[in-house]
Amino acid sequence: NAGVTQTPKFQVLKTGQSMTLQCAQDMNHEYMSWYRQDPGMGLRLIHYSVGAGITDQGEVPNGYNVSRSTTEDFPLRLLSAAPSQTSVYFCASSPRGVGINTEAFFGQGTRLTVV
Amino acid sequence: SQQGEEDPQALSIQEGENATMNCSYKTSINNLQWYRQNSGRGLVHLILIRSNEREKHSGRLRVTLDTSKKSSSLLITASRAADTASYFCATLAGGGSTLGRLYFGRGTQLTVWP
Repeated sequence: NAGVTQTPKFQVLKTGQSMTLQCAQDMNHEYMSWYRQDPGMGLRLIHYSVGAGITDQGEVPNGYNVSRSTTEDFPLRLLSAAPSQTSVYFCASSPRGVGINTEAFFGQGTRLTVV
Repeated sequence: SQQGEEDPQALSIQEGENATMNCSYKTSINNLQWYRQNSGRGLVHLILIRSNEREKHSGRLRVTLDTSKKSSSLLITASRAADTASYFCATLAGGGSTLGRLYFGRGTQLTVWP
């Protein structure tokens, strides 16, 4: 199994451009989420999904859109990139919505720079 | 925010010594988890302790949880240079609309010198 796969690994965007960060998991996990990691800030939750067709906002959702049309995929869209969105983005998945005894599995991250 | 906070922010020790990291959080939780992140990589789950547990062991890792103080500690015994990484605590919210959200702290950067 590949686990959680994120693409691309690196990306440079110009301010105002849009793009989609891809995330796919092959573990049939119901729960998927997107985090951003900034120096000294830890990981902050952007959006999450508890199953296909269901998404909700996290701590820092502004400027990002998500959709969950299949169990496997959870893309993150930047609508109009801003320098403040320069960060490392992590996708994570877990079975049964990060329940009582489950752990989150993380992708390797996408390093995004907005100039 | 329900974010956990780790202490210290950075820890530097020699191989063979024990490393202790602490985590404090603000609200009721279902469980608390510790993750490790090597430089430039994703996070890897280390250990989970439920809110009704007080101590848990896994290999060289020992985790304690004190829900009355809203705090946890991670002890790595007999540390190795390969333990050099950032360590994060994460709390799973206790219920309501935030159920299912995993909140991370800012992490402790551990450096183990050979």
